[in-house]
Amino acid sequence: QVQLQQWGAGLLKPSETLSLTCAVYGGSFSGYYWSWIRQPPGKGLEWIGDINHSGRTNYNPSLKSRATILIDMSKNQFSLKLNSVTAADTAIYHCARGVRGVIILTDYQYMDVWGKGATVTVSS
Amino acid sequence: DIQMTQSPSSLYASVGDRVTITCRASQSIGSNLNWYQQKPGQAPKVLIYAASRLQSGVPSRFSGSGSGTDFTLTISSLRPEDFATYYCQQGYNTPRTFGLGTKVEIK
Repeated sequence: QVQLQQWGAGLLKPSETLSLTCAVYGGSFSGYYWSWIRQPPGKGLEWIGDINHSGRTNYNPSLKSRATILIDMSKNQFSLKLNSVTAADTAIYHCARGVRGVIILTDYQYMDVWGKGATVTVSS
Repeated sequence: DIQMTQSPSSLYASVGDRVTITCRASQSIGSNLNWYQQKPGQAPKVLIYAASRLQSGVPSRFSGSGSGTDFTLTISSLRPEDFATYYCQQGYNTPRTFGLGTKVEIK
């Protein structure tokens, strides 16, 4: 059974760089999109971006190029860096496995396995 | 970006009730719509993908329907463990976007 375990610094000052890592246990790294999603306190979910096993990335333009997602196939890990953080980046950050496919000519994409989440607080 | 609008934002229901949550996309997304359940302190869990496909291990009281811009999640008979917040998410294009959620609370 695939599990995602994530870690990283939980308290940052404004202008610092957020750094989180997610390790994938019990499953293949190939064939999936590895995603980051965040959730500000008491609010909804925001997709940050994803990466596939060949390093192809997609990002949410709302982050204005502050995010970088990298993959390390040798360690079965992927990571998120978000620079120039502000209080608005305070959130629970989740890593997740993205599945894509086609059923009877219908495309689908969803996140089927999630990490437990890491709380990141930005405060001076 | 594709905007996802859920309604209602919250509802009160009793065990055994039939519950329906709707999600509307700002443009057609075919059937590329997913539903997640989130309980306090936990990560979201996928219930339905591709609008109507039940994720493995999810009880059959959950069902999804719709295509194009209008979608529905139905819980046929609410159980105590179903009190949670439900989110829709489009997988049609990037950025992936979620609805703001529907909180199902005990009446």
